[in-house]
Amino acid sequence: SQQGEEDPQALSIQEGENATMNCSYKTSINNLQWYRQNSGRGLVHLILIRSNEREKHSGRLRVTLDTSKKSSSLLITASRAADTASYFCATDLLLTNSGYALNFGKGTSLLVTP
Amino acid sequence: EAGVAQSPRYKIIEKRQSVAFWCNPISGHATLYWYQQILGQGPKLLIQFQNNGVVDDSQLPKDRFSAERLKGVDSTLKIQPAKLEDSAVYLCASSLEGGAGNTIYFGEGSWLTVV
Repeated sequence: SQQGEEDPQALSIQEGENATMNCSYKTSINNLQWYRQNSGRGLVHLILIRSNEREKHSGRLRVTLDTSKKSSSLLITASRAADTASYFCATDLLLTNSGYALNFGKGTSLLVTP
Repeated sequence: EAGVAQSPRYKIIEKRQSVAFWCNPISGHATLYWYQQILGQGPKLLIQFQNNGVVDDSQLPKDRFSAERLKGVDSTLKIQPAKLEDSAVYLCASSLEGGAGNTIYFGEGSWLTVV
């Protein structure tokens, strides 16, 4: 089952505005990652935040993590048309043989208009 | 550094036919994953390999899906016979190791339409 749930499902903003996407999850995590997927393409890793971190920055991206609320947010500042994509949060999925994979939410579809 | 390579990019088949997808991971990556992504949803793990061994295939519909990574490098995912609900993007991904917190690198995907 999908661990993370992104909110909103779809977001439409104008260039220059900030975009905020939220992710809620159900069980304890070691890490939470955010990925971007452009239409018709594969997923691209954006940022990883560990459970003992509260905030992380990468360029125009800012990720926060609140483990008490089991939630994370991704903020994209000064958005550009090229930021138009689907954004997914992913948590570690513990597998039956003690391996790990990623468990993805359904994603937020972001549209940035010029 | 070359990324994860997948082929074919697009495939249209009739139900009950078979199809095979090929993946070549990033050089040196021990862990390989196949994910299925249905339109409008997030990717769902089908199978994970560590070198040439299966780590987890609990979500692989084994009556019709099979996957192998015989020499611990490239991998093939096969569907036989295909059903309409198998229409999806099949994403191959790889990582250096399979531990928690490893960055997973995805290929562009193989788009399957079953008619």
